[in-house]
Amino acid sequence: ETGVTQTPRHLVMGMTNKKSLKCEQHLGHNAMYWYKQSAKKPLELMFVYNFKEQTENNSVPSRFSPECPNSSHLFLHLHTLQPEDSALYLCASSQDRLTGGTLHFGNGTRLTVT
Amino acid sequence: GEDVEQSLFLSVREGDSSVINCTYTDSSSTYLYWYKQEPGAGLQLLTYIFSNMDMKQDQRLTVLLNKKDKHLSLRIADTQTGDSAIYFCAEKGGGADGLTFGKGTHLIIQP
Repeated sequence: ETGVTQTPRHLVMGMTNKKSLKCEQHLGHNAMYWYKQSAKKPLELMFVYNFKEQTENNSVPSRFSPECPNSSHLFLHLHTLQPEDSALYLCASSQDRLTGGTLHFGNGTRLTVT
Repeated sequence: GEDVEQSLFLSVREGDSSVINCTYTDSSSTYLYWYKQEPGAGLQLLTYIFSNMDMKQDQRLTVLLNKKDKHLSLRIADTQTGDSAIYFCAEKGGGADGLTFGKGTHLIIQP
């Protein structure tokens, strides 16, 4: 039990589909993050939310659209993705952005774009 | 931008010590971290060190920091098969959100 739950665990989608990834944390944290993990590349920070406000968008293409309705939930809406977007998408949380080194990760969603 | 570099693979015999090395470029790093990722799972924080320290020990784990050379290492004593995983070095710059991670080192344990 990691305290950070991501669904679904696996997702296969075509390039014209629209899907959403969900993340929920039960740790009472105020900051949430989306990271992308691709083979042989460092983890890439995509988005940061602190107290529901987006504080960072790391030059992510607009086909990825985050949503943070409250401090416990984070979504990543996907549309018209490309095959190179296939990766493991990891959600993480921390007490707040200032303690953002002590991250608690979910197990990730393995996304395959066909 | 800031970079964090690690070797991709390290192979050690069970019972030996493992030393995983990392270099980073951001001189404003405040904290440096080691995370562990087991197959099919997310990353788990192992330990971290503040930039004004040069060593931290936690049971079988020893972290050494050479701030002048921007070099960080993680030593795992008496390596066990359960230590087989990917180990990520990460740094947090001053005022930055999130962490900058290396590519990860696959630790392979030989019986």
